[in-house]
Amino acid sequence: GNSVTQMEGPVTLSEEAFLTINCTYTATGYPSLFWYVQYPGEGLQLLLKATKADDKGSNKGFEATYRKETTSFHLEKGSVQVSDSAVYFCALSDLQGAQKLVFGQGTRLTINP
Amino acid sequence: EAGVVQSPRYKIIEKKQPVAFWCNPISGHNTLYWYLQNLGQGPELLIRYENEEAVDDSQLPKDRFSAERLKGVDSTLKIQPAELGDSAVYLCASSHRLAGGNEQFFGPGTRLTVL
Repeated sequence: GNSVTQMEGPVTLSEEAFLTINCTYTATGYPSLFWYVQYPGEGLQLLLKATKADDKGSNKGFEATYRKETTSFHLEKGSVQVSDSAVYFCALSDLQGAQKLVFGQGTRLTINP
Repeated sequence: EAGVVQSPRYKIIEKKQPVAFWCNPISGHNTLYWYLQNLGQGPELLIRYENEEAVDDSQLPKDRFSAERLKGVDSTLKIQPAELGDSAVYLCASSHRLAGGNEQFFGPGTRLTVL
């Protein structure tokens, strides 16, 4: 079945450091890929998405590129801020439209000032 | 625009007791999801509704879990009786099938502790 594997956490960085959180997936067909973020005490929020190979999703300085050849969707940010501290989830949707999301286990990110 | 509303935010019960969670989706969203999130894990789908019809409940443990979405708006998820292993966060999400692609909007969740 479909699955998502994320880089194990927790990840701790200093402010202005470069961030990479790895995500790889296993799926039949051509899934859509997502990064969701969960700030403390809040629900999951969509951070960015990509719906086909070589698409790049971006938002709030974060980027991720849909790499079909390596089945990856790594999250990157050039300069992190304290406010980026949260749990990040990689996910896939196996069909277009409002369908089931399959999530990775999440990566907790802490940014120190 | 109001987001997905869930209540209660926290619930503590003893095992074998019943418990119910309530979800009010974003207005106009016809698809509603219930997810289970265990500590340190990503959410896992329990059930998905299209309007008032449960179209995917394959992961719902039907011996003790039940859900309903009367009138295709609010939804209730019930556990009876609760077991220790049911301690988790129960997330509700909604989406509009015909707009916004496949983005799901999540509520803050209900954290259940079973003693």
